[in-house]
Amino acid sequence: AQKITQTQPGMFVQEKEAVTLDCTYDTSDPSYGLFWYKQPSSGEMIFLIYQGSYDQQNATEGRYSLNFQKARKSANLVISASQLGDSAMYFCAMREEGTGNQFYFGTGTSLTVIP
Amino acid sequence: GAVVSQHPSRVICKSGTSVKIECRSLDFQATTMFWYRQFPKQSLMLMATSNEGSKATYEQGVEKDKFLINHASLTLSTLTVTSAHPEDSSFYICSARRTGRETQYFGPGTRLLVL
Repeated sequence: AQKITQTQPGMFVQEKEAVTLDCTYDTSDPSYGLFWYKQPSSGEMIFLIYQGSYDQQNATEGRYSLNFQKARKSANLVISASQLGDSAMYFCAMREEGTGNQFYFGTGTSLTVIP
Repeated sequence: GAVVSQHPSRVICKSGTSVKIECRSLDFQATTMFWYRQFPKQSLMLMATSNEGSKATYEQGVEKDKFLINHASLTLSTLTVTSAHPEDSSFYICSARRTGRETQYFGPGTRLLVL
């Protein structure tokens, strides 16, 4: 089974609007971490936000927030006030405490911000 | 911040030659570094986990004799693609995990083209 599922291969959003990128995960490990990375066309993977499985509150980093719904095993990324520079691939990833350092990545969502 | 550099950023080589890619953590020590491969429009595929002072752990299906990994110090890991062939052409990206931190920080990647 897929550890990380991103069901939106491509998304479009109007500049200045908010957008939600979906991510669901599958694990039986009670301790895990969830991550979102942005990959622009240059290829570099840019860390955006992290949520620990035991964190009570949803993580926020500037315009990025993570809508963590543990019971549903979802960790959606919300980008508020979209900017043209937000156009990129976005990857959701998970690390399980039991498997050590390995990250599991989703297939990514391509976001295009429309002026 | 946590900065990871990668060198070279782009390399073109003839079939049969070997190519060495360096990954450095510039402002932190990393006992563990990771090497990924990414095909166009696809997700990252973990190739191996590089541990300082010990042998790398390779993922299933990755030829350890073809992709030599050395982690000689807490800030440097190298990936050598030996006897490269056109099918080895890809985007190779490394990451490092800061000791005691959850997040992996990625280098800018290396685009390898084997002619």
